[in-house]
Amino acid sequence: SQTIHQWPATLVQPVGSPLSLECTVEGTSNPNLYWYRQAAGRGLQLLFYSVGIGQISSEVPQNLSASRPQDRQFILSSKKLLLSDSGFYLCAWSTGAVLYGYTFGSGTRLTVV
Amino acid sequence: QKEVEQDPGPLSVPEGAIVSLNCTYSNSAFQYFMWYRQYSRKGPELLMYTYSSGNKEDGRFTAQVDKSSKYISLFIRDSQPSDSATYLCASEETSGSRLTFGEGTQLTVNP
Repeated sequence: SQTIHQWPATLVQPVGSPLSLECTVEGTSNPNLYWYRQAAGRGLQLLFYSVGIGQISSEVPQNLSASRPQDRQFILSSKKLLLSDSGFYLCAWSTGAVLYGYTFGSGTRLTVV
Repeated sequence: QKEVEQDPGPLSVPEGAIVSLNCTYSNSAFQYFMWYRQYSRKGPELLMYTYSSGNKEDGRFTAQVDKSSKYISLFIRDSQPSDSATYLCASEETSGSRLTFGEGTQLTVNP
């Protein structure tokens, strides 16, 4: 069966520090991968998506970047965090078939202080 | 204007009530419609999906789409405290294209 792993679950980082969040998928090949951010009381904002290794599309220009070094690995990074980067970050994958929707990871709650 | 609009609530109902959750959308090209449920501090999980207009039932849950009015609904019958969560509607133009999410409605079912 397919599973998605996302870590860490919570993170407190000072302003100006770097960030690296990792997401891995098991049990499938060539998944579509997504990074979302969910601010408190608000919906899901798509940050990046990838349809293959090294293929990254950015939805919102910001302080963050994403990379896909391996087929089932998706990394969200920042060189210098801002206070406004605080939020709940979710990784998701899909096969591309609507029948199965998106499968989300358990999320990382990032607080920038 | 957001492509998918959803009243964020919060919505509080007594146990056993019928719950109606709604979204509107503006993109006429949307063909697939989904509802996700998100428990506190967890990732969303797919609850139901429908294609084009019509109804789909799964146990206590019924999803309804009216493309003529661009209206998406989720009905929960005999609501339970375990249904307390945030419900997000989502739409996409074609299978495999990117999902557009509503903001989510926070639901609390009181015992």
